[in-house]
Amino acid sequence: KNEVEQSPQNLTAQEGEFITINCSYSVGISALHWLQQHPGGGIVSLFMLSSGKKKHGRLIATINIQEKHSSLHITASHPRDSAVYICAVGVNDMRFGAGTRLTVKP
Amino acid sequence: GAGVSQSPRYKVAKRGQDVALRCDPISGHVSLFWYQQALGQGPEFLTYFQNEAQLDKSGLPSDRFFAERPEGSVSTLKIQRTQQEDSAVYLCASSLFLGEKLFFGSGTQLSVL
Repeated sequence: KNEVEQSPQNLTAQEGEFITINCSYSVGISALHWLQQHPGGGIVSLFMLSSGKKKHGRLIATINIQEKHSSLHITASHPRDSAVYICAVGVNDMRFGAGTRLTVKP
Repeated sequence: GAGVSQSPRYKVAKRGQDVALRCDPISGHVSLFWYQQALGQGPEFLTYFQNEAQLDKSGLPSDRFFAERPEGSVSTLKIQRTQQEDSAVYLCASSLFLGEKLFFGSGTQLSVL
């Protein structure tokens, strides 16, 4: 079993919809990362969190340490949000989920 | 530079060839990481440097893989006697210090024929 599990694998939404991507992990962690990967490979770090909740624009990330679970929410989704979203845990030897491919249709 | 730079962007190698992949981290970043990403998968950790010291190489898949960062800035990932299963995107990332926000390069896509 992978140490970091994401769901769903693929997600298609209409523009404007509220989106949730989930991440569960089985190892003890000090930090969890949410990353965005666009076609062509470029990865951007969206959030790094160890507790609670963080918000940046239309993106919100939450983490529940006791339940070993994190969620990434996108409000008022837009076609430009289409990308692969990856959850990763750890610091020096990071473990990554397989990613959630999000497609937002206009 | 403004971001993490990797070269070459694409590399095609014949099976058995040696390859060298370069990573220029953001100036002043202490921590540098290499990851391997197979098609359709999430990245997998290969190795981690703090300045010039390679503190963790537990993710290197075999002794054909070697990484160095001799002056604590530019890093090179070398793969000897490449095999088809080495085909992947190799990603480099750096951060100011361990545990800080990561900045990723665009990766080197390696195809071994």
